Amino acid sequence: SQTIHQWPATLVQPVGSPLSLECTVEGTSNPNLYWYRQAAGRGLQLLFYSVGIGQISSEVPQNLSASRPQDRQFILSSKKLLLSDSGFYLCAWSADRNEKLFFGSGTQLSVL
Amino acid sequence: AQSVTQPDIHITVSEGASLELRCNYSYGATPYLFWYVQSPGQGLQLLLKYFSGDTLVQGIKGFEAEFKRSQSSFNLRKPSVHWSDAAEYFCAVGMNRDDKIIFGKGTRLHILP
Repeated sequence: SQTIHQWPATLVQPVGSPLSLECTVEGTSNPNLYWYRQAAGRGLQLLFYSVGIGQISSEVPQNLSASRPQDRQFILSSKKLLLSDSGFYLCAWSADRNEKLFFGSGTQLSVL
Repeated sequence: AQSVTQPDIHITVSEGASLELRCNYSYGATPYLFWYVQSPGQGLQLLLKYFSGDTLVQGIKGFEAEFKRSQSSFNLRKPSVHWSDAAEYFCAVGMNRDDKIIFGKGTRLHILP
């Protein structure tokens, strides 16, 4: 069966420090992969999505970047965190554009 | 640009009453439509989806939704709510021209005993 792993679960980082959040999927191949940020009252904001290795589409270009070095690995990064980067980050995958999303357990990021 | 609007941030209904949660989208083609539910402290669970065929879609937990192309809407309904339905509900839209899936801001449902 398919599973999605996302880590770490919580992260406290100082302003200006780098960020790397990792997400891996098991039990499927060539998934669509997504990074969302969830904030209270703002729903899920799509940050990046990917349909294949090295293919990244950005919805929020600002201070974050994403990479897909392997078929089932999706990484969210920042070179220098801002206070406004604090939030709950969710990784998700789907088998196709009209299929349901499967979500990871999320990372609560606090930038201080 | 594509968008999803859930006009009601909070809705309160009495247990046993009917429910309708609204969702409108902006997209130039026929979208794929989803409703997810997130209970407190839980992950998102798919209630139902539409991508073609019958515009009235049945989902889990007694929910249904109707796609109305002319109104660009995909409203979620339940004839009789239960206290366990208290949660946050998200409408999502997938694009058939790419693989983007965007969400509305959510509607928090409160149930009165």
